[in-house]
Amino acid sequence: EAGVAQSPRYKIIEKRQSVAFWCNPISGHATLYWYQQILGQGPKLLIQFQNNGVVDDSQLPKDRFSAERLKGVDSTLKIQPAKLEDSAVYLCASTPLAGLTDTQYFGPGTRLTVL
Amino acid sequence: GNSVTQMEGPVTLSEEAFLTINCTYTATGYPSLFWYVQYPGEGLQLLLKATKADDKGSNKGFEATYRKETTSFHLEKGSVQVSDSAVYFCALSDNTNAGKSTFGDGTTLTVKP
Repeated sequence: EAGVAQSPRYKIIEKRQSVAFWCNPISGHATLYWYQQILGQGPKLLIQFQNNGVVDDSQLPKDRFSAERLKGVDSTLKIQPAKLEDSAVYLCASTPLAGLTDTQYFGPGTRLTVL
Repeated sequence: GNSVTQMEGPVTLSEEAFLTINCTYTATGYPSLFWYVQYPGEGLQLLLKATKADDKGSNKGFEATYRKETTSFHLEKGSVQVSDSAVYFCALSDNTNAGKSTFGDGTTLTVKP
C-alpha cells in the first residue's frame, strides 16, 4: 500500500512570495489533515477535511493560508504572502474514517524556509 | 482548549536502561491517546495507542496506560536499545470534536551503547 505522498520536499522562498504544497493521501482515506511543525515543537493542526468538506480550520491563519481538497482525494495548502514565521515543516496525514480512534498516517513533510 | 504536556528532553540513556517519558493531558470528555515516534530521517509513525481509561497500549516493548484519574499516558520501556533513539510525541484525539488532534512538543531520546 502506498503511503501519503507530499511535494515538494523542500522549498525556499522570500517573504511576501506565495507557495503551494500538495498532498496525496492513502487511497480510500476519508480524512486528511494539514499540520505545521515549527522546529522544536509538536505538529499543530491547521485544517482537517473529511472527504471534501472542512471539519476544523480554527487554527488556520485565513488571511494568508488557504487549503482545498477537490473531489475528496488530494489536497493543496497555499500560503500567500509568506512571512518569516511560516518557516516550518508542513505535514499531511490521513486516516480511513473520522480519526476518532484511528491511527494517522503521515507523509514525509515539506520543509519551508522563508528568507 | 485541549493540551498535551510532555517531559522535556533531551533524554540520554545507556543501552538496557529503563525508560519513562511522562505525558499529561487536558481535554474535555474522554480522548483517545497516542504515542508517535519519529526516527532520524523518517516521518512520524504510530507507536501505540489507547482509546479508553485503563487501556494499555503496547508495541516493540514499549507500553503506556491510559490513566483518567491522573490524566496521564506515560511511555515506558524496560530495556532500551540504540535503535530506539528517536523523537517521541504524545498526542490526543478529541472524541467530542470530530477527532481533532493535539500533539505535545516531543521528547528526544538518545541511547548510547
